Amino acid sequence: NAGVMQNPRHLVRRRGQEARLRCSPMKGHSHVYWYRQLPEEGLKFMVYLQKENIIDESGMPKERFSAEFPKEGPSILRIQQVVRGDSAAYFCASSPTSPGTEQFFGPGTRLTVL
Amino acid sequence: DQQVKQNSPSLSVQEGRISILNCDYTNSMFDYFLWYKKYPAEGPTFLISISSIKDKNEDGRFTVFLNKSAKHLSLHIVPSQPGDSAVYFCAASADAGGTSYGKLTFGQGTILTVHP
Repeated sequence: NAGVMQNPRHLVRRRGQEARLRCSPMKGHSHVYWYRQLPEEGLKFMVYLQKENIIDESGMPKERFSAEFPKEGPSILRIQQVVRGDSAAYFCASSPTSPGTEQFFGPGTRLTVL
Repeated sequence: DQQVKQNSPSLSVQEGRISILNCDYTNSMFDYFLWYKKYPAEGPTFLISISSIKDKNEDGRFTVFLNKSAKHLSLHIVPSQPGDSAVYFCAASADAGGTSYGKLTFGQGTILTVHP
């Protein structure tokens, strides 16, 4: 049973470009969480999704950030018009059908904005 | 507004001795607590958890203690091994009301170094 997959592992973008981060949850997991870790800080919750539904996006910046978890395919975190402050490690986690249980994390995508 | 705090950025311990990592929280709605271990360039790996109805949970070399009145939890590793060297994060969730959907609030992390 493969773990949570994230790609790309490293992503470099220039200011103003778009970044797309992908997350494939563990098999059988229908709950996906995205977290962001800024340098020298802990992980901060961004958004919680189930298949085709955004359940809680209270941690998402109001502009430029969006997330989806389509019926088929991976979950996508999209950042439009990136700025230097978006440089961070972005982690995806998945959990089985009950939210609140332990979450299994992917290896993360490290985004660098030049 | 740091609701979960790990006040020690780093801890250095000799192999075979006890490692004690501490975590404080301010949100009284938190009812489930977890410890994660993280190596560089990897995602956090779940270690151990505790529900607020308990004050202790043990799993092998790892024990988590919860003091609800002090809003404090700690992770004990006995005996410590060099392979335990990593960043340790405590995390909390508030699910009693069923509205937080399991989202985790993390501390800043403590870098543990275990010397041979």
